[in-house]
Amino acid sequence: QVQLVESGGGVVQPGRSLRLSCAASGFTFSSYGMHWVRQAPGKGLEWVAVIWYDGSNKYYADSVKGRFTISRDNSKNTLYLQMNSLRAEDTAVYYCARLPRNWGQGTLVTVSS
Amino acid sequence: NFMLTQPHSVSESPGKTVTISCTRSSGSIASNYVQWYQQRPGSSPTTVIYEDNQRPSGVPDRFSGSIDSSSNSASLTISGLKTEDEADYYCQSYDSSNNWVFGGGTKLTVL
Repeated sequence: QVQLVESGGGVVQPGRSLRLSCAASGFTFSSYGMHWVRQAPGKGLEWVAVIWYDGSNKYYADSVKGRFTISRDNSKNTLYLQMNSLRAEDTAVYYCARLPRNWGQGTLVTVSS
Repeated sequence: NFMLTQPHSVSESPGKTVTISCTRSSGSIASNYVQWYQQRPGSSPTTVIYEDNQRPSGVPDRFSGSIDSSSNSASLTISGLKTEDEADYYCQSYDSSNNWVFGGGTKLTVL
């Protein structure tokens, strides 16, 4: 069965960086585009970024453009999200997703001094 | 970028039918597939409808999706409501510029 397992969340100070990882299994990872989606506490879902199956194209939400970078390593079946210049409003659960079919369990990122 | 607008909340009794709407602000609703996700408290989202009206395996046929070009909207209909259907529901679509958008979510109460 498809599994998406995020890791790398935690508490970080404003302005600092954090890298999230998502380990994928149960499907041919290199054949699918992958997404990051986040959810601030008590709020709705917000799409963050998508990367093509081969890494050739990447697209971002305006709210993270220029600060976040999505990448993947198909040899390791792993998706990444490099988050720089973090702000309090980036505090959220970050989900890795193979939209529209599969979601991970999420990892919490808290940006606070 | 376009927006997807959903009602903030809906409520209905067990056994009844409820419909949740999702209206696209610009661009045709028919141009790009619409998905629907269910999220129970404390859990990750799960997909209940993809590609406008397709159900993943394991999702009961009480769940159905449709689109209406005249109102530029999509709808999720849940029939024979059960208390376990109580959750937040989100619609999602995208455009040709690869902007992926979620609706604001609808809280379904089954009372």
